[in-house]
Amino acid sequence: ETGVTQTPRHLVMGMTNKKSLKCEQHLGHNAMYWYKQSAKKPLELMFVYNFKEQTENNSVPSRFSPECPNSSHLFLHLHTLQPEDSALYLCASSQGEGGQETQYFGPGTRLLVL
Amino acid sequence: GEDVEQSLFLSVREGDSSVINCTYTDSSSTYLYWYKQEPGAGLQLLTYIFSNMDMKQDQRLTVLLNKKDKHLSLRIADTQTGDSAIYFCAETHLDTGRRALTFGSGTRLQVQP
Repeated sequence: ETGVTQTPRHLVMGMTNKKSLKCEQHLGHNAMYWYKQSAKKPLELMFVYNFKEQTENNSVPSRFSPECPNSSHLFLHLHTLQPEDSALYLCASSQGEGGQETQYFGPGTRLLVL
Repeated sequence: GEDVEQSLFLSVREGDSSVINCTYTDSSSTYLYWYKQEPGAGLQLLTYIFSNMDMKQDQRLTVLLNKKDKHLSLRIADTQTGDSAIYFCAETHLDTGRRALTFGSGTRLQVQP
């Protein structure tokens, strides 16, 4: 247990569906992250939030929409995805105060887009 | 550049030492991390080292950093079958202010009984 939970753990959706991924951290951290892990590429950063403000968007298509209502919760809203978006989506958190900033990861949501 | 490279696969016998290697290209001040990923799971932090250090030891794990060659290694002593997993090297850059980690593609460690 890393203190970062993600739901659902598995998700199958059609290209016209709308779904949301949820991440919650119980570590008192202020920074949260979404990463994408696919078979063909190394782990890719998608978004970074620090104190609820988005600080990085790594050229992610608009069909992925993040939301960070508070420092403990992070969502990834999915809309009209493509089959190539099938991947493991990992959430992470860190203290958010600069310096070493060790990131702690959740177990991931494995997404399959049909 | 921010490329991090690792060999894809390593096979060892139980009880032997494993050495997983990583090279990086950015020479700015940085933290370097090793994460472990077991099947169906997220990434578990194993250890990290700051770029002004040469070595860090934590129980069965030894991290060696050759800053001149931009080479990082993770040595696992007395490797067990439970160590079978994918090991990721990652770095972060203090001078850019970016919080994100840059990951290598991962090394799959297979431990044979």
